[in-house]
Amino acid sequence: ETGVTQSPTHLIKTRGQQVTLRCSSQSGHNTVSWYQQALGQGPQFIFQYYREEENGRGNFPPRFSGLQFPNYSSELNVNALELDDSALYLCASSFHGTVNTEAFFGQGTRLTVV
Amino acid sequence: QKEVEQDPGPLSVPEGAIVSLNCTYSNSAFQYFMWYRQYSRKGPELLMYTYSSGNKEDGRFTAQVDKSSKYISLFIRDSQPSDSATYLCASIKAAGNKLTFGGGTRVLVKP
Repeated sequence: ETGVTQSPTHLIKTRGQQVTLRCSSQSGHNTVSWYQQALGQGPQFIFQYYREEENGRGNFPPRFSGLQFPNYSSELNVNALELDDSALYLCASSFHGTVNTEAFFGQGTRLTVV
Repeated sequence: QKEVEQDPGPLSVPEGAIVSLNCTYSNSAFQYFMWYRQYSRKGPELLMYTYSSGNKEDGRFTAQVDKSSKYISLFIRDSQPSDSATYLCASIKAAGNKLTFGGGTRVLVKP
């Protein structure tokens, strides 16, 4: 088990609603990345946060946004939920300045949009 | 075309057999190559990573990278039922912050 914790583990939302997912990074890590993993596919990079600022973004629309707090924990917010947003959302923590080969993933939050 | 391609499987082998997993990639800027194991309803767990071309061994696992052909391999020796999982390959640029994953290969090791 890694030291990365995510909450909640599961949730169900209705199309058009907004959702906030949370991640606590592993001790000693100062960078958090978020990934979306659709069923049967590999994770796709959403964005990364370092020093409380976005530090790189994948091909996701602006309704996906995030925050990082002084304790390095992070939130992923998704507005105007669509059915295709149903997926496992993964948070990975790492230490900035090293190549991101040592990223540790949490167990994920499974989001279902109905 | 996806930057990292992986056969989805499933790959079914008897216990004790060698599991052979492969990925291809298209981005020449990728320098680090990782293999993750993901059990059902869990997050990916890093197995090992390799820098540039070459081999790396860790217990029953061997990773190989051939940059000339843009080919990544993972071999699991003496496979066990507990190795049944989805295996994800991933790549990253030298100064990159974004892991690019393949789609994953589901492996089933039958007792």
